[in-house]
Amino acid sequence: DSGVTQTPKHLITATGQRVTLRCSPRSGDLSVYWYQQSLDQGLQFLIHYYNGEERAKGNILERFSAQQFPDLHSELNLSSLELGDSALYFCASTPFPAGSEAFFGQGTRLTVV
Amino acid sequence: DQQVKQNSPSLSVQEGRISILNCDYTNSMFDYFLWYKKYPAEGPTFLISISSIKDKNEDGRFTVFLNKSAKHLSLHIVPSQPGDSAVYFCAASTPNEGAQKLVFGQGTRLTINP
Repeated sequence: DSGVTQTPKHLITATGQRVTLRCSPRSGDLSVYWYQQSLDQGLQFLIHYYNGEERAKGNILERFSAQQFPDLHSELNLSSLELGDSALYFCASTPFPAGSEAFFGQGTRLTVV
Repeated sequence: DQQVKQNSPSLSVQEGRISILNCDYTNSMFDYFLWYKKYPAEGPTFLISISSIKDKNEDGRFTVFLNKSAKHLSLHIVPSQPGDSAVYFCAASTPNEGAQKLVFGQGTRLTINP
């Protein structure tokens, strides 16, 4: 158990809909990262928050947004969903903004039908 | 543009022998490298890391080697055990004290045969 909790584990939704994925980092970790793993792909970095502040963005679509709340949990919002958004979405956390290994949650499997 | 590449999608090794997983990168600004292991239906689990100021880091059965001139790193597992069967990802990041963006390879599926 990495200490990072993601909910829900599975999500099935229709095209055009909007979903919210939730992540609770390890106790004491201030950094939260979101990654996407599509079929047969490596993990693609989406966004990094540190103590509520956005620190880095990857190839995150404009239809996607995220935030980190004062209690340090984070949410990834995906809107106007397309079939190609079906993927595993992972959250990870670290105590520092950089230079340390990230601990990953079990992921949320999103299926868009 | 695949900045981190794992050219072997799969590797099969006999139990007790050495497993060597390879990773190449193109961005000379990368200064921190990590290996993760992933079982099905689980998130990646951190294994071992290495800073660009070192060329070797060892942790039990796992050793990571870094060759900066060749932009190549490898993970050695000795001896290999059945529980090591998993997908292994290498990852790299550039120096930025304010943020960290890990760039992952595509992964290598390691199978340890009894």
